[in-house]
This record gives sequence, structure tokens and C-alpha cells, in this order.
Amino acid sequence: GAGVSQSPSNKVTEKGKDVELRCDPISGHTALYWYRQSLGQGLEFLIYFQGNSAPDKSGLPSDRFSAERTGGSVSTLTIQRTQQEDSAVYLCASRRDQPGGEQYFGPGTRLTVT
Amino acid sequence: LAKTTQPISMDSYEGQEVNITCSHNNIATNDYITWYQQFPSQGPRFIIQGYKTKVTNEVASLFIPADRKSSTLSLPRVSLSDTAVYYCLVGSGNTGGFKTIFGAGTRLFVKA
Repeated sequence: GAGVSQSPSNKVTEKGKDVELRCDPISGHTALYWYRQSLGQGLEFLIYFQGNSAPDKSGLPSDRFSAERTGGSVSTLTIQRTQQEDSAVYLCASRRDQPGGEQYFGPGTRLTVT
Repeated sequence: LAKTTQPISMDSYEGQEVNITCSHNNIATNDYITWYQQFPSQGPRFIIQGYKTKVTNEVASLFIPADRKSSTLSLPRVSLSDTAVYYCLVGSGNTGGFKTIFGAGTRLFVKA
């Protein structure tokens, strides 16, 4: 079946603009994660959705970052008033709701803030 | 959440066996241990997962001692294409999901 998809694959924006990044998880996966990865660094957890539960937003770096998940499927990560330090690859992953279920990652969106 | 510690980097040669050890001293009773592989410009992908003892699949083996405070990913006969970053992840995975914290990972360089 289809894997996790993300769009756009690349996004270049000017400092101060808002951006929206989209994630389409694998059908039937109730858990969805957003991560950020700066060049040469590990993955930084941002936010986690699980079914209808309140999302775990503890990794969002500032109030300029927000995310929503509509209908338990597609998710959008929004960054307002982008800053140069927001430049990174934003990765989305989904997993089944089962003990030990592995995460399936999308290809990521490379965000460049100029 | 259990914190993990891995070597920052490792070098190997083609055809050798590579063992990458991850420490997770405060692992919880219901935590699983999962390893991911990441190539440049790609998202991580699942390699192997275990709870205790030994797990083997077509790609790797995972050794977990009785106290579960560490785990070792074993890659048999590596090739150049195994050059990647390897992440150890510890989490419960119970129904309801779990917040995941990836460490910095181990950069493996396989030389000809």
C-alpha cells in the first residue's frame, strides 16, 4: 500500500512568512508524529497525535508552531512568522496503535527560510 | 521516557560484522527497543525491534541482555550501502501510543 506522503517536498520562504506543511499518513494508522531535523543532526520531536486524544505538543519550540489533524488522518504543521532558524527538514511518521508498532516515515519537507 | 546513549560514529570495512550498542539504563517494564536506519535525504526506516533476548530478521540481529539496560544491533557482513545513521529508540508502544525521543544516532561509515 501507499506509504506516508508529505508535501511540498521543498519549500523556500521569506523570513516572516507563514508556511503550511502537509502529511498524509498510512491509512489506518492512528498515531502521527512530526519531527524536525536540522542538517547533520538527529530528530527533534515536535508533536504527537493519537486517535481522538489531545495531542502531545510538548516538543513544539515556540508558539509560532502549531499542528492539527483533521478526521484522524491528514495533518498540517503550520509555522507562523518563519525565522531562519526554522530552516530544516520536517519529517512526519505514522504508526498503528499496537504495542511496539514501528513508525513509518515520509520523505520529509525541506524548509528553507531566506 | 528512557534516555538512550549510543556512540557518535563507527567505522568498518566491507564484509565485517558491525555491532552498535545502545545504553538505556532507565528502561521501563513495558518498553520496547527499536532500531531505525537513516540514509541522507531520507526519513528513517525501521530495522528491527525487540523486548528481550535475541531477535533476528533478514537484515540484522538485536541482542538484549536480561537486565534490558542495553541492546546491541548486529549487522552481519556490512556493505558500502550500509553507511547510514542508526538510531536506538526506547518506548512503551502501549495502546495510546508513546512520545518518542530519538537520540543523535550512530553514524556508521563502511569503507571498501
